[in-house]
Amino acid sequence: DTAVSQTPKYLVTQMGNDKSIKCEQNLGHDTMYWYKQDSKKFLKIMFSYNNKELIINETVPNRFSPKSPDKAHLNLHINSLELGDSAVYFCASSQGDYQETQYFGPGTRLLVL
Amino acid sequence: AQSVTQLDSQVPVFEEAPVELRCNYSSSVSVYLFWYVQYPNQGLQLLLKYLSGSTLVKGINGFEAEFNKSQTSFHLRKPSVHISDTAEYFCAVSDLGGGFKTIFGAGTRLFVKA
Repeated sequence: DTAVSQTPKYLVTQMGNDKSIKCEQNLGHDTMYWYKQDSKKFLKIMFSYNNKELIINETVPNRFSPKSPDKAHLNLHINSLELGDSAVYFCASSQGDYQETQYFGPGTRLLVL
Repeated sequence: AQSVTQLDSQVPVFEEAPVELRCNYSSSVSVYLFWYVQYPNQGLQLLLKYLSGSTLVKGINGFEAEFNKSQTSFHLRKPSVHISDTAEYFCAVSDLGGGFKTIFGAGTRLFVKA
């Protein structure tokens, strides 16, 4: 049983398109995150939800919109994709806050052409 | 504000040799420190973490790290590495002031050679 799953695993699309990435966790955690990992492996927090409420919203273009329909799901919608959006996007979850271990999904590799 | 510096971007080492991956942090309050490992084409997974108590922390796969408050360091060590340890290693810090935010270092690529 996969603890944190993401779909799709790979996403290749044209500039200007709109796409969504879905994330689900079956760990019963109350906090979920989206991270962006660039080509140099640098990992940056984008958003975090705790009990379906947005608690971290880093400096991210407003083309990126997260949505948490329930505690087990956190989706990421991206409008008007740009070349610079190409990266690996990781979903993660934890039970509680900054002291807790984060469990990462396998990543979604987004390539914008 | 928190920050994390991983001093080596790449560390090549021969199999069965010891290794140390260096991490320094800055924070104005008490910190919680983590090491995560990322194998090729996978997500990150926790190796070990320091919250409080003993400054020597043991993790999975034979790794350990030592919290040094005076030097603001949290270096990761393994006495004898295997080919399978080849991966990207991330040091991370979070603190009370940062809320739910964890800051990750830039990563160190450990490459174990036969």
